[in-house]
Amino acid sequence: DAGVIQSPRHEVTEMGQEVTLRCKPISGHNSLFWYRQTMMRGLELLIYFNNNVPIDDSGMPEDRFSAKMPNASFSTLKIQPSEPRDSAVYFCASSLNRQGEQYFGPGTRLTVT
Amino acid sequence: AQSVTQLDSHVSVSEGTPVLLRCNYSSSYSPSLFWYVQHPNKGLQLLLKYTSAATLVKGINGFEAEFKKSETSFHLTKPSAHMSDAAEYFCVVRYMDTGRRALTFGSGTRLQVQP
Repeated sequence: DAGVIQSPRHEVTEMGQEVTLRCKPISGHNSLFWYRQTMMRGLELLIYFNNNVPIDDSGMPEDRFSAKMPNASFSTLKIQPSEPRDSAVYFCASSLNRQGEQYFGPGTRLTVT
Repeated sequence: AQSVTQLDSHVSVSEGTPVLLRCNYSSSYSPSLFWYVQHPNKGLQLLLKYTSAATLVKGINGFEAEFKKSETSFHLTKPSAHMSDAAEYFCVVRYMDTGRRALTFGSGTRLQVQP
């Protein structure tokens, strides 16, 4: 298995632009998690899905952030409009179920100028 | 509030000497505990996990951790450090008695290994 796949690996954009981050979980995994990592705040859970349904989005910082999971093999995290303080590494992780071991993707490094 | 505390932000050891990375969690009747490692510019990899079975947990790459309920600790150890162990280590807790049932990450400990 290729593991969790994230794209792009790096994204540089200007303030105000829309950014879409993509994630393909491991096949057969029912839970998907989006995390953000910054020097100031460390690793934060943004949202997680179980069976394609958002279970907890209380970590989403504000309405500019949205996440979708249209099917079991694909999820997106969108920021619109982006701001410099959104610069971070965004990780996607998947697990067999909510209690299972989470497997992390390589992350997307986002820079908003 | 439920939390996890990594007591040292940086630890530096010499190659071949023991490693101790400390972690304490706020008390809960049924925590699951994990250690993850993150090498530079890489994603997180699970080292080991405790889920209410044996209190001494062995992981990959020679790491192990001991769950001590009386001390609410889950310290990570390795008898002999290797240069390739240099990375950031995260202690992670899942509190099963909360509605979120997701992972709470510590702030991380950066391990340096000197030759």
